[in-house]
Amino acid sequence: DTGVSQDPRHKITKRGQNVTFRCDPISEHNRLYWYRQTLGQGPEFLTYFQNEAQLEKSRLLSDRFSAERPKGSFSTLEIQRTEQGDSAMYLCASSFSFFYNEQFFGPGTRLTVL
Amino acid sequence: GENVEQHPSTLSVQEGDSAVIKCTYSDSASNYFPWYKQELGKRPQLIIDIRSNVGEKKDQRIAVTLNKTAKHFSLHITETQPEDSAVYFCAASGPAQTGANNLFFGTGTRLTVIP
Repeated sequence: DTGVSQDPRHKITKRGQNVTFRCDPISEHNRLYWYRQTLGQGPEFLTYFQNEAQLEKSRLLSDRFSAERPKGSFSTLEIQRTEQGDSAMYLCASSFSFFYNEQFFGPGTRLTVL
Repeated sequence: GENVEQHPSTLSVQEGDSAVIKCTYSDSASNYFPWYKQELGKRPQLIIDIRSNVGEKKDQRIAVTLNKTAKHFSLHITETQPEDSAVYFCAASGPAQTGANNLFFGTGTRLTVIP
């Protein structure tokens, strides 16, 4: 499978714990995005990388959230001191085109905070 | 920032009929408008997109139209089939060159095709 992959697919954690998710984009894609999707809603943008540089962050990304893409390939999203409101599907997408922005999504990581 | 509104939230059609989903956007700088199909428990899949330099694009049974003056765009599915049943999301994005790359999504339309 040469598409975007994410790991783990499901994560159940207790409130206050830290969690980390991984995204592997399509290999030739230099852009990587994180979105959050709650039930019945469209994905909401969290942050964006071009190569290893984090170029944009949403106001949704509180200081408990941090994302990295150290070598411009895979990315990690960490949530510290999880809260029940963090429960959602976390989607990663990648893109290559310079002029236009076709984004291809991974299967997501479903986070449940108890 | 960009605000994308999508209607209707649910749509039921008989198999073989057409389905139309409409979206409006607020930022006149947006120039890329994709549509995603999301089946239950699966990833959003890009099914068609349109750029601001064209008014219409068609791919087999799926077509998208764009009216930049009115800031709205629509998805048209003809000869619907049960496998078209899913949630459809519209989205808008600014010019990739300027760094405004993230997609702003609508709230989705749950399409049900009745056999």
